[in-house]
Amino acid sequence: DGGITQSPKYLFRKEGQNVTLSCEQNLNHDAMYWYRQDPGQGLRLIYYSQIVNDFQKGDIAEGYSVSREKKESFPLTVTSAQKNPTAFYLCASSIELGSGANVLTFGAGSRLTVL
Amino acid sequence: GQQVMQIPQYQHVQEGEDFTTYCNSSTTLSNIQWYKQRPGGHPVFLIQLVKSGEVKKQKRLTFQFGEAKKNSSLHITATQTTDVGTYFCAGDEAAGNKLTFGGGTRVLVKP
Repeated sequence: DGGITQSPKYLFRKEGQNVTLSCEQNLNHDAMYWYRQDPGQGLRLIYYSQIVNDFQKGDIAEGYSVSREKKESFPLTVTSAQKNPTAFYLCASSIELGSGANVLTFGAGSRLTVL
Repeated sequence: GQQVMQIPQYQHVQEGEDFTTYCNSSTTLSNIQWYKQRPGGHPVFLIQLVKSGEVKKQKRLTFQFGEAKKNSSLHITATQTTDVGTYFCAGDEAAGNKLTFGGGTRVLVKP
């Protein structure tokens, strides 16, 4: 089955540690995204990538880093510089519809808790 | 920057009743999309609206895009317990650009 796989599903981290969240897709989508969701709130865009070896900052990129070395993979690193990293992180990829708009397919998410 | 607001934030509905949730953008949108996130799950795409005044139906769900392409609504008829979840609208100013999500409407159904 085609889809997006995020790992780990749950992650605990001590303050001051960097962590990397994995996101792999086999949908052959060009674009990939990382969103952050806080309890009871909407989705905020962290980073996105439209092609391999290229990515752009979203609305809340500070304290995060990404890479896009392969079309299938878009890992997110939450660095120690991120002041409030506890959140639910969602990876998505998109395909362009005939209208030109991008429809997102999401992974199951990774829930990060900083102790 | 572009802002997308949704109201209400929470919607408690008696099973069998109808309700509507609204989405308003600070800027004119190229298109608007709706997603549903079940409790503990991830957002799943429901529908996209592109044309001014467009109306689309999916069974008991009716989606509408405003004439000015700055607002949208989702109307659910005869609510069922399977409708529980958070409904998000998302729009972009230019097709193919990054989507901006609203804060969502969390729907709770009373049996």
